[in-house]
Amino acid sequence: GAVVSQHPSWVICKSGTSVKIECRSLDFQATTMFWYRQFPKQSLMLMATSNEGSKATYEQGVEKDKFLINHASLTLSTLTVTSAHPEDSSFYICSAIGRLYNSPLHFGNGTRLTVT
Amino acid sequence: AQKITQTQPGMFVQEKEAVTLDCTYDTSDQSYGLFWYKQPSSGEMIFLIYQGSYDEQNATEGRYSLNFQKARKSANLVISASQLGDSAMYFCASGTTGRRALTFGSGTRLQVQP
Repeated sequence: GAVVSQHPSWVICKSGTSVKIECRSLDFQATTMFWYRQFPKQSLMLMATSNEGSKATYEQGVEKDKFLINHASLTLSTLTVTSAHPEDSSFYICSAIGRLYNSPLHFGNGTRLTVT
Repeated sequence: AQKITQTQPGMFVQEKEAVTLDCTYDTSDQSYGLFWYKQPSSGEMIFLIYQGSYDEQNATEGRYSLNFQKARKSANLVISASQLGDSAMYFCASGTTGRRALTFGSGTRLQVQP
């Protein structure tokens, strides 16, 4: 079964509203979580890296005030898309790794966001 | 910085035949890993196979094998005995050992024909 749960799997929201996406590790402690964005027919692009208890590290070109990431516990990271606009419509997917150096990388099933 | 290049936007293969999906990479890291993921239309990323930069043997996982040519910086995925369920997007990715944030290629859409 899935070891990383992402919720919701899809969401439709109106322009100007905020949307929160959750990424949970189900049976391991995720010290690091990664957030990716995938536009239709394109590849996954890393948005940010979040470590439990510290501020997220954002990739160049990703607005930290627009994409708020919180990794408050070892099993949960959240991505909040603030004041969403139609151009934020995309597939957002998280991945998580545990404490051990060679622990496997697990992906969530992704969240499809549509902003109308 | 790392860069992954997948030059085949789409590939067709007959059921039960083998197919090779190309991947070349560029990295300045000494220690890195190469990954292949399958993404069906539902969107989830399914891990297929991993090759470490210091692994001397080519990785194999069931019907999947990775043809790793370090000097040429290529990490092609070979799928043997293709099945209809193999139809999906396939992404090659690389990551610095220990960091685990991956850089993905543009992907190859594989269609298996009966």
